Amino acid sequence: DIQVTQSPSSLSASVGDRVTITCRASQTISNYFNWYQQKSGKAPKLLIYAASSLQSGVPSRFSGSGSGTDFTLTISSLQPEDFATYYCQQSYGTPWTFGQGTKVEIK
Amino acid sequence: EVQLVESGGGLVQPGESLRLSCAASGFTFSSYEMNWVRQAPGKGLEWVSYIPTGGGSIYYADSVRGRFTISRDNARNSLYLQMNSLRAEDTAVYYCARLGDCTDGVCHNYMDVWGKGTTVTVSS
Repeated sequence: DIQVTQSPSSLSASVGDRVTITCRASQTISNYFNWYQQKSGKAPKLLIYAASSLQSGVPSRFSGSGSGTDFTLTISSLQPEDFATYYCQQSYGTPWTFGQGTKVEIK
Repeated sequence: EVQLVESGGGLVQPGESLRLSCAASGFTFSSYEMNWVRQAPGKGLEWVSYIPTGGGSIYYADSVRGRFTISRDNARNSLYLQMNSLRAEDTAVYYCARLGDCTDGVCHNYMDVWGKGTTVTVSS
């Protein structure tokens, strides 16, 4: 199975801050990598697919980069509605696996 | 509006069975591959199972293989998860999720539409 290691597990940031979350896959997976946002008590929401493609309707302050084993989600200017937990996911091979999550909290 | 609505969750005892349903609307259900993903209380996301549009390979997580069965009824726009021999560790919110479109013939297997989830609790 492909393992996905996500860091940090949590972070505190202020509105307007630039935030970066990273994930590493245990083997090379090209760009078969996705990012999701989950707010408390809600279903996950797709943000980024294929490592860097922005899902329709997602604000442009979200961006993804990376290929191979290392991937990054960047929020260029954190907004109040962005406080949530973020999950990365490899979709190269089953079982599709998620990172452990990063909880973004208000500083 | 594209929508997925799960149902069928509840409280059961260890060893019992439960059948989850997911009703799809707002899109051509028969054209999309589907998944079940679960989330234990306070934990992260765990992919459970995948089913293609028609014939083809079905996949399961090791943790549920042999106990859970995914199926679909394209005429009823519905996805199902039959869960047998339930264990305490199966306690979770279960989401159905649609696999997004392929681009230029390349399928990146991302989950672009999710239901709100149904809660399964396994406890004596």
